Amino acid sequence: DVKVTQSSRYLVKRTGEKVFLECVQDMDHENMFWYRQDPGLGLRLIYFSYDVKMKEKGDIPEGYSVSREKKERFSLILESASTNQTSMYLCASNFRGAVSYEQYFGPGTRLTVT
Amino acid sequence: AQTVTQSQPEMSVQEAETVTLSCTYDTSESDYYLFWYKQPPSRQMILVIRQEAYKQQNATENRFSVNFQKAAKSFSLKISDSQLGDAAMYFCAYRSHNTDKLIFGTGTRLQVFP
Repeated sequence: DVKVTQSSRYLVKRTGEKVFLECVQDMDHENMFWYRQDPGLGLRLIYFSYDVKMKEKGDIPEGYSVSREKKERFSLILESASTNQTSMYLCASNFRGAVSYEQYFGPGTRLTVT
Repeated sequence: AQTVTQSQPEMSVQEAETVTLSCTYDTSESDYYLFWYKQPPSRQMILVIRQEAYKQQNATENRFSVNFQKAAKSFSLKISDSQLGDAAMYFCAYRSHNTDKLIFGTGTRLQVFP
């Protein structure tokens, strides 16, 4: 079974803190994604990585950065957390290309910034 | 740019009955993929069903089927013989043929009553 894990289910941080959200997948997927999920807005793509050290901005990259030093790990970084970044963050992964295009999701991290 | 619209924020159904969730999308492309994902409460998002735009036949997975109307840009999900375990958020998603990124709708929360 494909497994996508995220470092924390719940996280509470203070405004201005640097926050790291980690995602690990065990299926040798090339692609990894970070989404933000908010009620009434669905899932919005923050960043996408299609290979080690490669990244592409999604629809809402402002205030976020990412790191992919190893194929199995994709980190989302909030350089200076703000209250409007309180949200559910979902990581996903899949193989590149049309052969297997289902995205596999992690359990999510609910981040609260106070 | 492509968009995905789910006009029903909430739906409810009686156990064993049938329910249809609506999804419309906007695109100028002719080759693409459509998906329904399910997010149960406090559990990971999973793929329910997918449809390739070039296929005229509607996809079916056990109790789940879609009504794909390409000209109308409509992609509804029908759940037959609803079960309590079907209660979840359902997201419709679009993927262009030349990208691995998904565009999600805002979701429909389905309640199933005994």
